[in-house]
Formats: sequence, C-alpha cells, structure tokens
Amino acid sequence: QKEVEQDPGPLSVPEGAIVSLNCTYSNSAFQYFMWYRQYSRKGPELLMYTYSSGNKEDGRFTAQVDKSSKYISLFIRDSQPSDSATYLCAMSANNNDMRFGAGTRLTVKP
Amino acid sequence: EAGVVQSPRYKIIEKKQPVAFWCNPISGHNTLYWYLQNLGQGPELLIRYENEEAVDDSQLPKDRFSAERLKGVDSTLKIQPAELGDSAVYLCASSLDPPREQFFGPGTRLTVL
Repeated sequence: QKEVEQDPGPLSVPEGAIVSLNCTYSNSAFQYFMWYRQYSRKGPELLMYTYSSGNKEDGRFTAQVDKSSKYISLFIRDSQPSDSATYLCAMSANNNDMRFGAGTRLTVKP
Repeated sequence: EAGVVQSPRYKIIEKKQPVAFWCNPISGHNTLYWYLQNLGQGPELLIRYENEEAVDDSQLPKDRFSAERLKGVDSTLKIQPAELGDSAVYLCASSLDPPREQFFGPGTRLTVL
C-alpha cells in the first residue's frame, strides 16, 4: 500500500461545477499538507498549504484536513476551463521529505 | 523574481549514453531538490541539498546517478549510463531554509531510446 493514495481520475466536469479532490494517507506523522496544480509540460505550483487539521480557504479553493481519518480534500468552487490540470496532493512530517499522490487529472468543459 | 530554471527542457538519447541536467534555483534559496516524475505519477525525491551538502540522497540510485551543487547555488544531475527505464521528467525545486513552500522548475523531459 502506498503512503499516499489519490484517485488518478480522469475527472470531467462542466464549467461552474464544484469539484472535490481527495487523498488518503497512512503515515500518522504527516502534519504538513499541500495541494499542487500541474499544467501539461509544466512543473507543479503550490495552491494550498495547511498545517495540521482544519480548513483553509483561498478564493475559489478550500482545503480540508482530517487527521483522525487520514483524509484530505480540495474543493474548487465555480470551476473554470482554466482549472483543467492535474492536481497533486503532497504531505510531509517535517516540511522537507514530501510524499506526493499520483495526481488527479481534471478537465473542466465550457 | 525569476523562478527555478532548468535546462535542457527536452533530451533524447540512446541507452547507455550519459546525460546531464542543470538547475538554477531561486536566488537566496538554500535548499534544492531533485525529483523524478514518471508518467501518471507524482514526483519522487531523488536528492535534497542544503547549501552544498547533500542531506538526503537515500533514494538516488548511486550506481548510475550522481549530483553536485558546487558553491551552493546551481546544481547538476547526471545519469551514466542511461537505461530505458530512466525515461521520465526530472524536476528541480528550491525553498528557503527552514523550508515551507517548494518552488518547482518546468522540468527536463528525458527520453531514452
């Protein structure tokens, strides 16, 4: 079993839909949780950064961490075609050794 | 502010040939990372530098891979000899110390024929 599990999709939604992306993990030492967005043939770029449990909101994006269930989520409201990308969850115990999920490919159709 | 620079962006070589990738991190970032990303997978750490020192190279296949970060700024990752299974994207990232956000470069896409 991988340390970080992420459904690779692909996920296709109509423009304006709410998107829910999720990861589960097995290492209880993880306390830093991140979501990266990766466009085709580009490097990952950080979207959300969360320490420990709780919610964090940034514009149309909301990240949730449930450490008791070892489950993290990213919600995208009012999704746009420009949100079409691969979304990678990542987590770390010490902010250095990051473990990534496999990424979920999202397509938002106009 | 310039981001992480990597070159070349694409490289095609035949198996058993050597290949080198170069990375220039964001100015002032002491920590530099090399990752390997296979198709449909997330990045996997190969090596992490703090200044000139390789502090985590446990995932670097040392029989064929080597890396250096002279003067604690830019870095080179080398594969010699390359194998078919090395075809992947090699990503470089950098961060401040203590680390928080890692900033990634565009990657070098390697194809081994």
